[in-house]
Amino acid sequence: GAVVSQHPSWVICKSGTSVKIECRSLDFQATTMFWYRQFPKQSLMLMATSNEGSKATYEQGVEKDKFLINHASLTLSTLTVTSAHPEDSSFYICSARRQRNEQFFGPGTRLTVL
Amino acid sequence: GDSVTQMEGPVTLSEEAFLTINCTYTATGYPSLFWYVQYPGEGLQLLLKATKADDKGSNKGFEATYRKETTSFHLEKGSVQVSDSAVYFCSSQTGANNLFFGTGTRLTVIP
Repeated sequence: GAVVSQHPSWVICKSGTSVKIECRSLDFQATTMFWYRQFPKQSLMLMATSNEGSKATYEQGVEKDKFLINHASLTLSTLTVTSAHPEDSSFYICSARRQRNEQFFGPGTRLTVL
Repeated sequence: GDSVTQMEGPVTLSEEAFLTINCTYTATGYPSLFWYVQYPGEGLQLLLKATKADDKGSNKGFEATYRKETTSFHLEKGSVQVSDSAVYFCSSQTGANNLFFGTGTRLTVIP
């Protein structure tokens, strides 16, 4: 149990387009979902925390209008990178938290913006 | 606030060598401590955890002991394999707060 999926696993897009990444908890209801960004050879940077039905809480320095997060249900959160630029190219990882503060990570989505 | 400091890599070892990756933490409360592993091109997987002082987490031959007196949670394995090549992240969590990650240590095991 406790599987988190992400879709797509990788995406290539042109500069200026928007990209949506889905994060699903497949076999449990997640009270909270998190979005991380990972640069090459670096640690995970928490971007935002989202709770179902409420607005996401963004970390300092993360643009809310750039990275739109929608947590529509207890099993689905989406991250939309709007008007993507090459500097947005990165590995995006989501995680989902269920009871007892256990956090489970998705496999990640590699975004490449040309 | 909480923070985690772990040994910088990369670490390169021969197969069957002994592995230690150091990790120390700072926290205002009593955190739970974790080691996550990230294989190439994949997300993070929980490797092991410990929730209180003197607990030992273990999995797949890896071990780490929660040392409150030295605020450490060093990862060890007696005999590494090529398949252990990955990036290892130490992390801490206090209560319902977010996870704090170290910078990651890349391990390469050569045959």
